[in-house]
Amino acid sequence: KNEVEQSPQNLTAQEGEFITINCSYSVGISALHWLQQHPGGGIVSLFMLSSGKKKHGRLIATINIQEKHSSLHITASHPRDSAVYICAVRVGNEKLTFGTGTRLTIIP
Amino acid sequence: DTGVSQDPRHKITKRGQNVTFRCDPISEHNRLYWYRQTLGQGPEFLTYFQNEAQLEKSRLLSDRFSAERPKGSFSTLEIQRTEQGDSAMYLCASSLAGRRATNEKLFFGSGTQLSVL
Repeated sequence: KNEVEQSPQNLTAQEGEFITINCSYSVGISALHWLQQHPGGGIVSLFMLSSGKKKHGRLIATINIQEKHSSLHITASHPRDSAVYICAVRVGNEKLTFGTGTRLTIIP
Repeated sequence: DTGVSQDPRHKITKRGQNVTFRCDPISEHNRLYWYRQTLGQGPEFLTYFQNEAQLEKSRLLSDRFSAERPKGSFSTLEIQRTEQGDSAMYLCASSLAGRRATNEKLFFGSGTQLSVL
């Protein structure tokens, strides 16, 4: 069974701080997704990566395949970044397996 | 096309009643997924369709749950004889999946929040 572990579960930070959210998984994967979920349930896909690093605006996602670990970074955090961030992995062509999410709160 | 839409947004029902949810995916998407999410947890896979074929169904899905995608477009998820443990957010997602699923990107609906009293 592939398990996806995220840390921390909850994170509160001041506006402007650099944020790091971690994701670890237990088996070899073909792709890893980072998703953002706002109150009310809407989920948005942020990144899909299988190696290296991707950047979009203030968001950076990295993955280390050998260590089975990925990080999501937010630079110059803003209150509108407050959301639940979910890591999900795919093994081969199988369905995604989701982590439990990290609840991020950015205080003005 | 405004994305994946789900109806209703909220459903309150009494234990033992049947409920049906609808999902309209992005029009050209061939895959449609149903997930269930409870408070503080990530989404759990329930089932998915490739066009009109139901390709996989989770062991989480008891016989009380059934899903259809009759014409390969919209899908319905029915729960019969609801129980309080069925209370959750039911999420639908769609994608355009090619030969390599590793490149598949999911687009989610806003979900249907079910409360069973």
